[in-house]
Amino acid sequence: GAGVSQTPSNKVTEKGKYVELRCDPISGHTALYWYRQSLGQGPEFLIYFQGTGAADDSGLPNDRFFAVRPEGSVSTLKIQRTERGDSAVYLCASSLMGESTEAFFGQGTRLTVV
Amino acid sequence: TQLLEQSPQFLSIQEGENLTVYCNSSSVFSSLQWYRQEPGEGPVLLVTVVTGGEVKKLKRLTFQFGDARKDSSLHITAAQPGDTGLYLCAGVGYNTDKLIFGTGTRLQVFP
Repeated sequence: GAGVSQTPSNKVTEKGKYVELRCDPISGHTALYWYRQSLGQGPEFLIYFQGTGAADDSGLPNDRFFAVRPEGSVSTLKIQRTERGDSAVYLCASSLMGESTEAFFGQGTRLTVV
Repeated sequence: TQLLEQSPQFLSIQEGENLTVYCNSSSVFSSLQWYRQEPGEGPVLLVTVVTGGEVKKLKRLTFQFGDARKDSSLHITAAQPGDTGLYLCAGVGYNTDKLIFGTGTRLQVFP
């Protein structure tokens, strides 16, 4: 596709359930980022990949959160035992490696934990 | 931890007014980017500043990177309702592609 695609666009889940959020980056982009955003706030960094490996996962809030990018393209953010506080918009972005390069964002997945 | 504080948090102005948004940090960045985000969409890049003291203009928007590479400002001249949105600065550290976003400034321009 032409841009970054995130699925699903909306996800409602019950507290304690497991969820997976998917990101399809722009073809050829080696860097992939996951952010979490609350209403009206700036995106909060979670993790970023260079190729298949997680270059920095310091933003993952706890061990319930995990992300993979096994083939260096599609990434999945996995959240176990969801809590109401996990409710937010989860944004994915991709970019070409290198400083000062533009990050292209998807439209996000709105996760609601009830 | 690199933190980017933006001020003001909210700004509500009339069409035609000028405004400045500030982005401040105690950390030094190799480059700094400004994004604009509309409801239901991801942020979209406006500009990247790389050199300390650099000034870039994009129509009615003027961006400046501080000499010490720790802060930046965005000035909008003669704001229009179409400028309404969430403005975000984002810093890139040295030897990393990690992109850290600021706290955001929500701008509303009334006709």
